Amino acid sequence: ETGVTQTPRHLVMGMTNKKSLKCEQHLGHNAMYWYKQSAKKPLELMFVYNFKEQTENNSVPSRFSPECPNSSHLFLHLHTLQPEDSALYLCASSQDATGTYEQYFGPGTRLTVT
Amino acid sequence: QKEVEQNSGPLSVPEGAIASLNCTYSDRVSQSFFWYRQYSGKSPELIMSIYSNGDKEDGRFTAQLNKASQYVSLLIRDSQPSDSATYLCADQLAGGTSYGKLTFGQGTILTVHP
Repeated sequence: ETGVTQTPRHLVMGMTNKKSLKCEQHLGHNAMYWYKQSAKKPLELMFVYNFKEQTENNSVPSRFSPECPNSSHLFLHLHTLQPEDSALYLCASSQDATGTYEQYFGPGTRLTVT
Repeated sequence: QKEVEQNSGPLSVPEGAIASLNCTYSDRVSQSFFWYRQYSGKSPELIMSIYSNGDKEDGRFTAQLNKASQYVSLLIRDSQPSDSATYLCADQLAGGTSYGKLTFGQGTILTVHP
């Protein structure tokens, strides 16, 4: 595997389900990010982890819960979602989050909440 | 509210022409700027980064930055139909508590017609 990978690529879940998105980066980076991309809206940063520590929560509702067990893996745990949470969820990584480093994106998970 | 503004387009250019994509930003302390290309149904792909005033060239792509005018642009020379995509502009603050935050514009849809 190379670059940034995400699983699953597509997910359909009901509002009462609990599911998790997984991201893995193979670039030796120390910072990982979750972004949300909704139709007709700019890409929106959700969370930032730098060396496994969360450094940014961009006012994200608590039904989204991130986890970063190490610098290579990032999870987004989902529970009690709403239909308006349907979007493309993108993971990205960079060398670290304290400098002006380029961010590289994974392929994304297309989430549909029914 | 820090903003990155792009003309959503669509911008249509003939094959072989120069495509010019523009972006303005509101935060005077923005330090780094990035252009991403996003094909329909895919994730953003980094194509250019620029940190200093002036031009930066990479193959058919030239990024231009003017910090005094808070303006960054992307020129695509010899446009090809395969360049048809949405182009996202993003800025990033340097250091402090910015923690690698990218702020994205809404993107410009580019169509290159044969």
